[in-house]
This record gives sequence, C-alpha cells and structure tokens, in this order.
Amino acid sequence: DGGITQSPKYLFRKEGQNVTLSCEQNLNHDAMYWYRQDPGQGLRLIYYSQIVNDFQKGDIAEGYSVSREKKESFPLTVTSAQKNPTAFYLCATGERRRPQHFGDGTRLSIL
Amino acid sequence: GQQLNQSPQSMFIQEGEDVSMNCTSSSIFNTWLWYKQEPGEGPVLLIALYKAGELTSNGRLTAQFGITRKDSFLNISASIPSDVGIYFCAGHIGGGSQGNLIFGKGTKLSVKP
Repeated sequence: DGGITQSPKYLFRKEGQNVTLSCEQNLNHDAMYWYRQDPGQGLRLIYYSQIVNDFQKGDIAEGYSVSREKKESFPLTVTSAQKNPTAFYLCATGERRRPQHFGDGTRLSIL
Repeated sequence: GQQLNQSPQSMFIQEGEDVSMNCTSSSIFNTWLWYKQEPGEGPVLLIALYKAGELTSNGRLTAQFGITRKDSFLNISASIPSDVGIYFCAGHIGGGSQGNLIFGKGTKLSVKP
C-alpha cells in the first residue's frame, strides 16, 4: 500500500536525551514536512524538505533537527534543547501546490 | 507564522443536523483544503479546491472556494455520530513558491446521537 509510516506511535524522552522520530513514505513525493500539534491547536511547521539533501526551517525549528538523505525518509530529532517537547508530531508529504498527506503521528511525552 | 481564521472553534449538534464551518484570511489563496482528524490519528484529506467559486462535494460534505479567494466553507449535511472529530482548513497562499500549507486552528465537532 502507498502511504506514510511514522514510528514509533508513542515515545518517551528522559531529560537531557535526544530522541528521533521516523517518517518513511512510498508515495514518491519530493516534499516532506514535520508538524507539531498541541492540544486544541492547529499544526505548526517545524521543518520541511523540498528535495533530497535539502531542508528548511519552519516556524518552530528551535530544538529540532532533521536530515533528508533519501527521498523516502525524513527523520526528526527532538534534541535536549527543546524544553517543551511533549506534543503530537505529524509527518506529511506532498507535491508543490497539491494536498499534503499525513502519517498517523507520534506522541512524545516526558518521563 | 501566518494562520487562517477558522470558526466556530467547536460545535455541539444533534444527529441529523446540518453543520457549517468556515475559514477566512486577509491573504489570497490559490488552493483550499479541508481535513478531518480523529483522536490519535493524522489528518485525512476530505476535499481539495483549486479555483475561485469552485463547489465540490464528497458524500454528505460540500466545500466551496470563495469568490474573493480569501475564504472557504465546509458544510456537512445530516450529521451522524462518526462525523465527530476536528476539521481543519488549510491552503496555499497565492504567489507563494514553497508550497507550504497554512492551517486553521480547527473546528471540533461533537454529535449527540
């Protein structure tokens, strides 16, 4: 099936720890996106990548890092510098000016 | 970052009632998208609109791309309990080159059987 796979579904982070969220797609889309969603809020853009080996900061990139070594994969690292990491993280893919399609999300919590 | 103004923030309705929600902006958009999100899942695309004035249906859902290109509406007819969720509008700003979406904050729909 074509789609977007995010893993893990639930993740717990200890203080001072970096954690990495996985996003894999087989839709052959060039663009990939990471969003953060807090309760009762809309989606805020963390990072996006329009093409392999290139990525750009979104509105709330501080405390996060990404890489785009393969078209299919766009992992997000939540670093220890992100002081309020508890949120629902959504990965999406899309083509320019076309709808974005979302994975099922990863819920990150603090231990 | 820029946000769309989506209203209402929440709705509590009786099963069988019709629902209307909308998004407005001070900027011109060249696409409007409507998504539904259920708890613990990612948003799912419901309807995509690409031209001013366009009216598109998906089952009991109908969405319109406003003539001014600054707003969009979503209507749900004869609501049922499985319509419960959060509905988001999103769009691409006209003239934007990155293809990034701008999202509304969502309308939370509750349906009483």
